[in-house]
Amino acid sequence: SQTIHQWPATLVQPVGSPLSLECTVEGTSNPNLYWYRQAAGRGLQLLFYSVGIGQISSEVPQNLSASRPQDRQFILSSKKLLLSDSGFYLCAWSAPGQPLTEAFFGQGTRLTVV
Amino acid sequence: GESVGLHLPTLSVQEGDNSIINCAYSNSASDYFIWYKQESGKGPQFIIDIRSNMDKRQGQRVTVLLNKTVKHLSLQIAATQPGDSAVYFCAENTSGTYKYIFGTGTRLKVLA
Repeated sequence: SQTIHQWPATLVQPVGSPLSLECTVEGTSNPNLYWYRQAAGRGLQLLFYSVGIGQISSEVPQNLSASRPQDRQFILSSKKLLLSDSGFYLCAWSAPGQPLTEAFFGQGTRLTVV
Repeated sequence: GESVGLHLPTLSVQEGDNSIINCAYSNSASDYFIWYKQESGKGPQFIIDIRSNMDKRQGQRVTVLLNKTVKHLSLQIAATQPGDSAVYFCAENTSGTYKYIFGTGTRLKVLA
């Protein structure tokens, strides 16, 4: 069966520090991968998605970036965090190809920038 | 444009009653829809999905209804239980794209 791992679960970082959040998927090949951000009490905002190694689509201009160095690994990064980067970050995967089927989410990383 | 989130509306229902959660989706070209349940501090969990060639689909205790004419999606939960308390999101996708666009979410509170 497929599983998705996301870490760390919580993170407190000072303004201006770098960020690296990692997500890995097991039990599937060539998944579509996603990063979403959720502000407290709000909906999910799509940040990045990837349909293959090295293929990254950015949805929202910001100081975050994403990379997919391996087939089942998706990394969210920042060189210098802003206070506004605080939130709940969710990684997700879905089966490759079209039409899409449901996406499966990790347990999230709660990031607090102080 | 994309729905990026507003303060969550709340639906309160008595335990044992049926719940109906509504969602207005944004893109008339969307043809795949999903309902997710999110408990506090956790990632969203898949509940049920429906494609645009259907207007109703049933699962265990849940039914999704799709009205493409008015771009409206609903989730019906039968015999609501305390464990159903969570935030519910709808998501939409358009064939040929890889994005899931999420609605604003509804908080369901089940009263004992």
